[in-house]
Amino acid sequence: AQSVSQHNHHVILSEAASLELGCNYSYGGTVNLFWYVQYPGQHLQLLLKYFSGDPLVKGIKGFEAEFIKSKFSFNLRKPSVQWSDTAEYFCAVRGSQGNLIFGKGTKLSVKP
Amino acid sequence: NAGVTQTPKFQVLKTGQSMTLQCAQDMNHEYMSWYRQDPGMGLRLIHYSVGAGITDQGEVPNGYNVSRSTTEDFPLRLLSAAPSQTSVYFCASSYSIGTIGGTEAFFGQGTRLTVV
Repeated sequence: AQSVSQHNHHVILSEAASLELGCNYSYGGTVNLFWYVQYPGQHLQLLLKYFSGDPLVKGIKGFEAEFIKSKFSFNLRKPSVQWSDTAEYFCAVRGSQGNLIFGKGTKLSVKP
Repeated sequence: NAGVTQTPKFQVLKTGQSMTLQCAQDMNHEYMSWYRQDPGMGLRLIHYSVGAGITDQGEVPNGYNVSRSTTEDFPLRLLSAAPSQTSVYFCASSYSIGTIGGTEAFFGQGTRLTVV
């Protein structure tokens, strides 16, 4: 079965610390991978996406992710987090039916 | 540009009541879907549609019905509300899976439903 696994349930960082959120997927077909962010009380917004080409993908707000096919991973990174990055982050892969399969999410709390 | 519009934003139902959550998109997307979000569970797919007149079940379809009479609208019906359906519901739309570069999903603002 297709699935997405996010390794951390809750990450707490101080401002200016570096961030890496892990994501592994199990899907044998052509992969479309996504990271979405959900700020408190809001809907999901796309941070970045990978369809093909350069495995290092740059998104909005200084985020980037690296697709490593051999590891079935798509980890999200940011060199220096800000208090405003406090949110929940979801990794997703597009399934064979066109639906998005989400991980359980990682809450990020950034201390000012 | 409205994007994906969901109504209502908040709703409280009594057990056994029925209601319809509305979802409309103005981007001419073929693909629409409904998810529910529960703490620690991520988002789980309820139903989806690949075009007008075509719907299918997702991971957690029980207790919900959908229809897709137009490209723009994809309502979700709760037939007989139960406390287990207390959740936040998100509607999403995207171009079809075969569209190059067009498979990003756009989400509505969500409906917070409480069943008492």
